[in-house]
Amino acid sequence: DQQVKQNSPSLSVQEGRISILNCDYTNSMFDYFLWYKKYPAEGPTFLISISSIKDKNEDGRFTVFLNKSAKHLSLHIVPSQPGDSAVYFCAARSGGGADGLTFGKGTHLIIQP
Amino acid sequence: DTGVSQNPRHKITKRGQNVTFRCDPISEHNRLYWYRQTLGQGPEFLTYFQNEAQLEKSRLLSDRFSAERPKGSFSTLEIQRTEQGDSAMYLCASSLGTSAFFGQGTRLTVV
Repeated sequence: DQQVKQNSPSLSVQEGRISILNCDYTNSMFDYFLWYKKYPAEGPTFLISISSIKDKNEDGRFTVFLNKSAKHLSLHIVPSQPGDSAVYFCAARSGGGADGLTFGKGTHLIIQP
Repeated sequence: DTGVSQNPRHKITKRGQNVTFRCDPISEHNRLYWYRQTLGQGPEFLTYFQNEAQLEKSRLLSDRFSAERPKGSFSTLEIQRTEQGDSAMYLCASSLGTSAFFGQGTRLTVV
């Protein structure tokens, strides 16, 4: 039972354009959501997070949007840069912040020059 | 302190052998997590410590797996009688608040 779903295994975007990565979840108890970026042979790197009491959080080129009624979140990267090419994981947790994270399967973002 | 450190980075072992991995978290972080990642999947939660207390264990953590964090600092994850299905990347993460920071992982190959 996949509680966090990233339905696009890969996404190709031209350099300078906007990248939009999507994530859906099924567990209503999730109250905190995170995005991680992962290069091959490295551990995931934390990018940005959002609490369930908010609907938007922005950090530089990265913005995360949360639609609780649709149980959907998205990560926007603008403008996209070649160094953004990586696998992006959506993750969620419940329990006020102490519980382990539940991850999606990831989306491989490829930035085309 | 530059981040979460894991050793070794790679481990190849024969089926049936025992292996132990070490994780050194970010020094002020009181929470430490172990995850496992296989090809094409996201990381899967295994277990969690708050200081030295192991507070949560996933059903993925069979009785061949044991984790410790004896002094609330570094942690070890031991796998006994390894099986080929144990081949994966084992990731450690630590946190103080709501965001967890990961190490580079230990890649285990069981042959």
